[in-house]
Amino acid sequence: GQQLNQSPQSMFIQEGEDVSMNCTSSSIFNTWLWYKQEPGEGPVLLIALYKAGELTSNGRLTAQFGITRKDSFLNISASIPSDVGIYFCAGQLSGTYKYIFGTGTRLKVLA
Amino acid sequence: SQTIHQWPATLVQPVGSPLSLECTVEGTSNPNLYWYRQAAGRGLQLLFYSVGIGQISSEVPQNLSASRPQDRQFILSSKKLLLSDSGFYLCAWSADRGYGYTFGSGTRLTVV
Repeated sequence: GQQLNQSPQSMFIQEGEDVSMNCTSSSIFNTWLWYKQEPGEGPVLLIALYKAGELTSNGRLTAQFGITRKDSFLNISASIPSDVGIYFCAGQLSGTYKYIFGTGTRLKVLA
Repeated sequence: SQTIHQWPATLVQPVGSPLSLECTVEGTSNPNLYWYRQAAGRGLQLLFYSVGIGQISSEVPQNLSASRPQDRQFILSSKKLLLSDSGFYLCAWSADRGYGYTFGSGTRLTVV
């Protein structure tokens, strides 16, 4: 079945550093979503991308929808301790109601 | 505003027992509804989705089933739980194709 390759799997960074993670696939997607999940809770939507090439920001977060529609990245600038969590990308397959999720990037921020 | 409710939050069930998890959405009509499972430390696996009452699509063959008896109600069931059914189950809804999901708070199921 379709897969989303998300990398890196985990990151340990110092507070204040910038973070970058990405998702790639061999499939084409109509929509890309980025979520953050904290322990014991459901994922919360951070950014939604609807057009190839789209670059969208939400505070310190910036995400882009790749031109080929097969990839997306998320950047977090000037990380803070509350950025800790698991970040998931999700892509909506063309012509379907389904979103495929990446395997997640576990972020830990060291103060 | 729209809200999604999922319960129970935690469940411990013996192997072979039945399961029923419920999810309801308020403040919208005809939502697309989804059940996901998340194994410990892993990503989210789509189990079922529904675009309308009585319309259920299954993504993976498994020990579970889903039903949508009402427009804003989505139920995940099993007749006999297996150890491998343990995990974090998440319900989600979306307004239409192309819009992002909103997730419920999840149910942590432990089968013992």
